[in-house]
Amino acid sequence: DADVTQTPRNRITKTGKRIMLECSQTKGHDRMYWYRQDPGLGLRLIYYSFDVKDINKGEISDGYSVSRQAQAKFSLSLESAIPNQTALYFCATSELATQYFGPGTRLTVL
Amino acid sequence: SQQGEEDPQALSIQEGENATMNCSYKTSINNLQWYRQNSGRGLVHLILIRSNEREKHSGRLRVTLDTSKKSSSLLITASRAADTASYFCATGDTGANSKLTFGKGITLSVRP
Repeated sequence: DADVTQTPRNRITKTGKRIMLECSQTKGHDRMYWYRQDPGLGLRLIYYSFDVKDINKGEISDGYSVSRQAQAKFSLSLESAIPNQTALYFCATSELATQYFGPGTRLTVL
Repeated sequence: SQQGEEDPQALSIQEGENATMNCSYKTSINNLQWYRQNSGRGLVHLILIRSNEREKHSGRLRVTLDTSKKSSSLLITASRAADTASYFCATGDTGANSKLTFGKGITLSVRP
């Protein structure tokens, strides 16, 4: 969905490096989410935010942090990347129940 | 842990046939949604059914929900090669938030 953008789309990094994934949305939604997708495991929730002052841990938040800079922007950081954080990362937004996903960031940690 | 579990894990059918995919879940829900994902791309919302509804239609899609059995099914009628994708069920919490818990997905292949 072009209303939800993610940068970068692909990133290769090394173990121990800090990396930030960014998400921007033009849908005007208050609620934003970060998921990771691994083959055979579906999507798992990392963090979510229901407004600029609200940050909540999801199912698998260890090793990750987030920042909600504005209603439209929600960033995910890996403070010290490790190989098992290699995955496809998705940002999503919602107004009510339905979520709208970005195109994803493919992250490889060597 | 996943709330929704889809069945089968993979499905291969001929164009024109119907595709039926099932989802079971464990705890009470507010709603159940189905999403589609084309290879390596973002998920796209298909249809939502609320816990007090039993059946909904959207174009060639029909979804049913049986809360007594904690299960849902998604039927795609007259399938097309373009329906080839992964399909995920996602359950929405009963609380005030809109968190979704996704299943592992079903890979549907439609042969031309």
